[in-house]
Amino acid sequence: QKEVEQDPGPLSVPEGAIVSLNCTYSNSAFQYFMWYRQYSRKGPELLMYTYSSGNKEDGRFTAQVDKSSKYISLFIRDSQPSDSATYLCAGPNTGNQFYFGTGTSLTVIP
Amino acid sequence: ETGVTQTPRHLVMGMTNKKSLKCEQHLGHNAMYWYKQSAKKPLELMFVYNFKEQTENNSVPSRFSPECPNSSHLFLHLHTLQPEDSALYLCASSQEGRNYGYTFGSGTRLTVV
Repeated sequence: QKEVEQDPGPLSVPEGAIVSLNCTYSNSAFQYFMWYRQYSRKGPELLMYTYSSGNKEDGRFTAQVDKSSKYISLFIRDSQPSDSATYLCAGPNTGNQFYFGTGTSLTVIP
Repeated sequence: ETGVTQTPRHLVMGMTNKKSLKCEQHLGHNAMYWYKQSAKKPLELMFVYNFKEQTENNSVPSRFSPECPNSSHLFLHLHTLQPEDSALYLCASSQEGRNYGYTFGSGTRLTVV
């Protein structure tokens, strides 16, 4: 079983929709998670960082962790075409290293 | 310049060629990484350097050879690659001891023909 699993999509939504991106993880010892956003022909950039206890909100983005089901989610409200990208979830490995999901490709249609 | 810079952005090489990828970080971080990104696969960690010392080599074939002359520069030397090595190679840096994640470069898109 992979440490972090993610549905690769692709996911296509109309502008203004609420988007839900999800990952599952296997290691209950994970204490924090990250979401990265990767635009085409760019490297991933850190979007949100959340501890494994509840929600974190940043503008239109909300990261949520459900420890009981080992499920992490990223919600995007009022999605915009500029949100079109691949979103990767990550959980910590030893030291300062991370396990990454495969990424979910999102397209927001104007 | 700021952030993490990778060169070249694109590289096409034959299986008998030798080439090098370069990464430079201007963030004062003390750890640097090479990752391989292939379609539909998670990011694969290849090498880790902390304070210029290699601390991780995740069973990477010897045709990939890293070099870290100082904490700001990282190279990946390539020789006799295979077509399945075609991928996006990402460099990242971080500050060891702080869980702030990585700063990635834009990557080198490598095609082996």
